[in-house]
Amino acid sequence: GAGVSQSPSNKVTEKGKDVELRCDPISGHTALYWYRQRLGQGLEFLIYFQGNSAPDKSGLPSDRFSAERTGESVSTLTIQRTQQEDSAVYLCASSRTRLETQYFGPGTRLLVL
Amino acid sequence: AQTVTQSQPEMSVQEAETVTLSCTYDTSESDYYLFWYKQPPSRQMILVIRQEAYKQQNATENRFSVNFQKAAKSFSLKISDSQLGDAAMYFCAYRSGAASGTYKYIFGTGTRLKVLA
Repeated sequence: GAGVSQSPSNKVTEKGKDVELRCDPISGHTALYWYRQRLGQGLEFLIYFQGNSAPDKSGLPSDRFSAERTGESVSTLTIQRTQQEDSAVYLCASSRTRLETQYFGPGTRLLVL
Repeated sequence: AQTVTQSQPEMSVQEAETVTLSCTYDTSESDYYLFWYKQPPSRQMILVIRQEAYKQQNATENRFSVNFQKAAKSFSLKISDSQLGDAAMYFCAYRSGAASGTYKYIFGTGTRLKVLA
């Protein structure tokens, strides 16, 4: 596609529910990244995919967070048993190779009530 | 560990004037990349400019230029002839070079730029 797309754009959920956030990277980009941006803060790295494998999961804040990527394309970030502290914008980025510039999607704004 | 610091939470500039946004970083690496990203209210992060640490020449992109001082670990962004559309959050980011084996960006906390008509 022309750019990185993410869905949904906004998500409101109740504490304790599970949520799935989707990222469609730019076609042909082998590297994919998830970041979290809390209100008024910079971006925190969550996880990096090279192809369908995740060599760097160091940023995942707890075992409630998981992500997968299939077909070297779409990626899903899943947050189980959501907490209010999970409220943030979740941004996805992709790059043609791991060494090239990352291009970002518009993010999913998650609000946990 | 690498860190990125943006000490100006907010800046204002008059339309058509020039403004400089500051960024400092800390690293023990010699091979790395630095970036400035713009984030308008739409949330879309847009790459403004990129600098390779091994290049002495400062990067420029139209009205945007950087002052890269490697020894001082400083990477400021200059916006000339500011336009209303430049109003946004600006983030400075660091990425290690290929030898490090890490590929994530480390971001500063951002500077909100207001452009006054």
